[in-house]
Amino acid sequence: DAGITQSPRHKVTETGTPVTLRCHQTENHRYMYWYRQDPGHGLRLIHYSYGVKDTDKGEVSDGYSVSRSKTEDFLLTLESATSSQTSVYFCAISVVAGAGNEQFFGPGTRLTVL
Amino acid sequence: RKEVEQDPGPFNVPEGATVAFNCTYSNSASQSFFWYRQDCRKEPKLLMSVYSSGNEDGRFTAQLNRASQYISLLIRDSKLSDSATYLCVVGNYGGATNKLIFGTGTLLAVQP
Repeated sequence: DAGITQSPRHKVTETGTPVTLRCHQTENHRYMYWYRQDPGHGLRLIHYSYGVKDTDKGEVSDGYSVSRSKTEDFLLTLESATSSQTSVYFCAISVVAGAGNEQFFGPGTRLTVL
Repeated sequence: RKEVEQDPGPFNVPEGATVAFNCTYSNSASQSFFWYRQDCRKEPKLLMSVYSSGNEDGRFTAQLNRASQYISLLIRDSKLSDSATYLCVVGNYGGATNKLIFGTGTLLAVQP
């Protein structure tokens, strides 16, 4: 158990509304990530953080912003949700291991944009 | 062409069978390799890291062939509880972190 929680776990919203997803970790990990998972695609990286206030874009960052004001929380915001952002969102942390950085995932948030 | 490619399956096997999954990756500079397991509607969970020399964990054996750019996972004596989607994952260093590229997964269904 990597001590990661995500909230909310499920959300239904309407097109054009702002949505914020929260990832919370209890073990002081430096690196945190947001992914989305869609049928026919592997998990795809949206944004990641390498420290408080330090973030960078991933592969599919358009339409998303993130913030990390404290080590334990990494927020993902959809400024104006669109139907194409209906997805399952996973947060992850990484730990250094023998084979490289191993990532461990939170339980996910299922977001539906109507 | 996808960076990480896997046969989507499904692989339907009887209990006790041996099953092998292969995965190919396109970036020859990739540095780290993993297999994750994902149960339906759950988060991916790390099954094994894959080392250059190959590694084994109980009934699971992972192999890496850098020259041919493929990774394999062998499951011996399959159990019903092994039914899941197996994700091949490759790590590439870029920016400030090791970025993971995920395959779309191979579905395994172990039948009684």
